[in-house]
Amino acid sequence: ILNVEQSPQSLHVQEGDSTNFTCSFPSSNFYALHWYRWETAKSPEALFVMTLNGDEKKKGRISATLNTKEGYSYLYIKGSQPEDSATYLCAFILSGGGADGLTFGKGTHLIIQP
Amino acid sequence: EADIYQTPRYLVIGTGKKITLECSQTMGHDKMYWYQQDPGMELHLIHYSYGVNSTEKGDLSSESTVSRIRTEHFPLTLESARPSHTSQYLCASSEMTGGQETQYFGPGTRLLVL
Repeated sequence: ILNVEQSPQSLHVQEGDSTNFTCSFPSSNFYALHWYRWETAKSPEALFVMTLNGDEKKKGRISATLNTKEGYSYLYIKGSQPEDSATYLCAFILSGGGADGLTFGKGTHLIIQP
Repeated sequence: EADIYQTPRYLVIGTGKKITLECSQTMGHDKMYWYQQDPGMELHLIHYSYGVNSTEKGDLSSESTVSRIRTEHFPLTLESARPSHTSQYLCASSEMTGGQETQYFGPGTRLLVL
């Protein structure tokens, strides 16, 4: 059974502050790591798909890094805004995966306080 | 925004009833998935489909069944609902982009079985 760990489980951040959180995953047979943002009452929205060790991806104020050798990814949010409040999920795919689906962590629930 | 729809969004039903959760996508994706999320837990894959007439069980054992008669439609059925089926059910479809598979999620159905 694959284990994807996300920490912290929840996070309160003041508006304007920057923050980051972690996703840990098995480092063997790595294929890809996905990050999703899931706002309340909406569909999870894909943020990044990361595949290469050392990858860094950016979308506006949000960026993510990937270390496949040690099995972790960081998600960074710069200058948090209230609209960043959501649950951030990471999901892992094993080599040879694909249609077998994603293995998800429990998510980091981020609340931005005005 | 992804064109994937789920109905109903919320369902409260009595034990023993038969229920069908609907999922439709208008993107022409071959691959579709059903995930289940119990409160405070991870999303777990319960069913997936490679295309019409293809259905497979996911990592998490489920008493539900699925069918895929048309590309755009992937309904999930519980023949006799029980309180243990209370959960959130998310449908997804996927496409290959730049050699990587991206999954697009519906908004989910929250099921409460009394």
